[in-house]
Amino acid sequence: GQQLNQSPQSMFIQEGEDVSMNCTSSSIFNTWLWYKQDPGEGPVLLIALYKAGELTSNGRLTAQFGITRKDSFLNISASIPSDVGIYFCAGQGQSGGSNYKLTFGKGTLLTVNP
Amino acid sequence: GAGVSQTPSNKVTEKGKYVELRCDPISGHTALYWYRQSLGQGPEFLIYFQGTGAADDSGLPNDRFFAVRPEGSVSTLKIQRTERGDSAVYLCASSAGTEDTQYFGPGTRLTVL
Repeated sequence: GQQLNQSPQSMFIQEGEDVSMNCTSSSIFNTWLWYKQDPGEGPVLLIALYKAGELTSNGRLTAQFGITRKDSFLNISASIPSDVGIYFCAGQGQSGGSNYKLTFGKGTLLTVNP
Repeated sequence: GAGVSQTPSNKVTEKGKYVELRCDPISGHTALYWYRQSLGQGPEFLIYFQGTGAADDSGLPNDRFFAVRPEGSVSTLKIQRTERGDSAVYLCASSAGTEDTQYFGPGTRLTVL
């Protein structure tokens, strides 16, 4: 099935560093979402973006919905060890498609070295 | 409980066997979804229920897969004649309404030997 193009595939950073990851799609989505998944758990929603160009923050997390509605990025500032996990982007409401189905990227594995 | 729960957390079966995976959504959520997550991949949509009916089953890979939600709450994903390629984590999610935030359960890790 279709998956979004998410990069980088993995990142290994030092505690306190900032990190950025992004996601692109060949399709337009009405909503972009960023999830975090810990081992043995389901994805947990971090940030939801509903408008093209929207910039939204949630604590140390900042995400933007691209103007073309085909891309998004997530920044994490001042990383801490508990930021470790897999981060997924997801598009919802594909143009010409359903308004409920989530299409995910392959994920970015983040490792934070204390 | 407050969140989506799934049972069992792990299931090991032999090729050719039948399995059932259960999902208990958040109370009051009318929409329920099943996704499948293979190793190193993001979740992929399988099926969506609105109430008791399967509104979209376009993601089910073949007719060995079937899901029900007879009373509009608990859902069961059924896989017949399991194959090794069915091994994956099966995630369930629920939302208050169709376009609302989807909350995921912890998943069932299915291993077909």
